[in-house]
Amino acid sequence: AQSVTQLGSHVSVSEGALVLLRCNYSSSVPPYLFWYVQYPNQGLQLLLKYTSAATLVKGINGFEAEFKKSETSFHLTKPSAHMSDAAEYFCAVSDRGSSYKLIFGSGTRLLVRP
Amino acid sequence: DAGVIQSPRHEVTEMGQEVTLRCKPISGHNSLFWYRQTMMRGLELLIYFNNNVPIDDSGMPEDRFSAKMPNASFSTLKIQPSEPRDSAVYFCASRSATGPGEAFFGQGTRLTVV
Repeated sequence: AQSVTQLGSHVSVSEGALVLLRCNYSSSVPPYLFWYVQYPNQGLQLLLKYTSAATLVKGINGFEAEFKKSETSFHLTKPSAHMSDAAEYFCAVSDRGSSYKLIFGSGTRLLVRP
Repeated sequence: DAGVIQSPRHEVTEMGQEVTLRCKPISGHNSLFWYRQTMMRGLELLIYFNNNVPIDDSGMPEDRFSAKMPNASFSTLKIQPSEPRDSAVYFCASRSATGPGEAFFGQGTRLTVV
């Protein structure tokens, strides 16, 4: 069964520092991949998605992610963290078959220190 | 479009009572997902529908949980009888079943069973 693993339940960075949130998927066939963000007491909002076009995907709020098939990874990065980036981030995976089942990782809470 | 609409936003009920959560997906979307979010278990997929048909309900925790989608614009998740361990935030999301479209989430229903 398709699954996704996010390393690190909490990541803490200083404002202005690089943000790196890790995501690995388990599939021999590259799936569709997504990153979502959740702010307190809100639903999830899409940051970016990979669907087999360019391997480097740019999203909203300055975030980007690179699909690496050899590493089965889809890590999320942002060059310079802002206080408003503090939130929980979820990686999600969906098969390319007909089911379109959408499975989420366990989430990573990003803390941004002033 | 108003997005995915969930009701109620908050529900407090006594153990043993029946609880019904409601969801209106985005018009034109033909996949609908129900998720449960807790601190301990993260974001769990309970069930999802394609074209109003339940495709995978393997995430439904017990027979106390049931979900229906009588038409393309409405779905319910019912818990009968409710228990304190059912306390969580329940999210509904919808998505177009054609292609790798993103899932759009509702604001969630925070359920507290006392």
